[in-house]
Amino acid sequence: GIQVEQSPPDLILQEGANSTLRCNFSDSVNNLQWFHQNPWGQLINLFYIPSGTKQNGRLSATTVATERYSLLYISSSQTTDSGVYFCAVNSGGGADGLTFGKGTHLIIQP
Amino acid sequence: KAGVTQTPRYLIKTRGQQVTLSCSPISGHRSVSWYQQTPGQGLQFLFEYFSETQRNKGNFPGRFSGRQFSNSRSEMNVSTLELGDSALYLCASSLGTSSYNEQFFGPGTRLTVL
Repeated sequence: GIQVEQSPPDLILQEGANSTLRCNFSDSVNNLQWFHQNPWGQLINLFYIPSGTKQNGRLSATTVATERYSLLYISSSQTTDSGVYFCAVNSGGGADGLTFGKGTHLIIQP
Repeated sequence: KAGVTQTPRYLIKTRGQQVTLSCSPISGHRSVSWYQQTPGQGLQFLFEYFSETQRNKGNFPGRFSGRQFSNSRSEMNVSTLELGDSALYLCASSLGTSSYNEQFFGPGTRLTVL
């Protein structure tokens, strides 16, 4: 099945800093999503981005499907941005369901 | 529009028992998928239901089963619980199948097996 690798696994930043999270995947995808998991475990949708670039406030994402990677940018980090960020993909071909990376654990210090 | 809801939110069971978890999708969504999250294995796909039919199943034993009702609500059942079944169980819904459509997750059910 498709492999998803996220980097870095852990990231500690000061409030106000910018960060870039990376997601590499091993096959072409029909679906790519970025999530933020809150302290209670719920996955919050950030972006649905199988290709192209999107922006939502301080967050933006870019997926280069031909090169099999996606980037999530967080600007002017706030302590509330802390948590685990997951990239998840679906390669289709009958393999329904999202395949998740192991996540990036982001800690924003005041 | 209300989000995905899951009940119960927390559950404690003992080994050998069985458990049923419930998921109500976003209104109008016809696909429901289930995922298991553990510290060791991360987030793993369990199965997906679309129009009351199981479309696909992940690599889990037959003790894990599910169903979907005509109103798109779904239940999953785990029989003969094992300690390793302790996990956060997440349900997601989407308009169409998960292959192409954005999925939205519920708050999860945290199952503890003693």
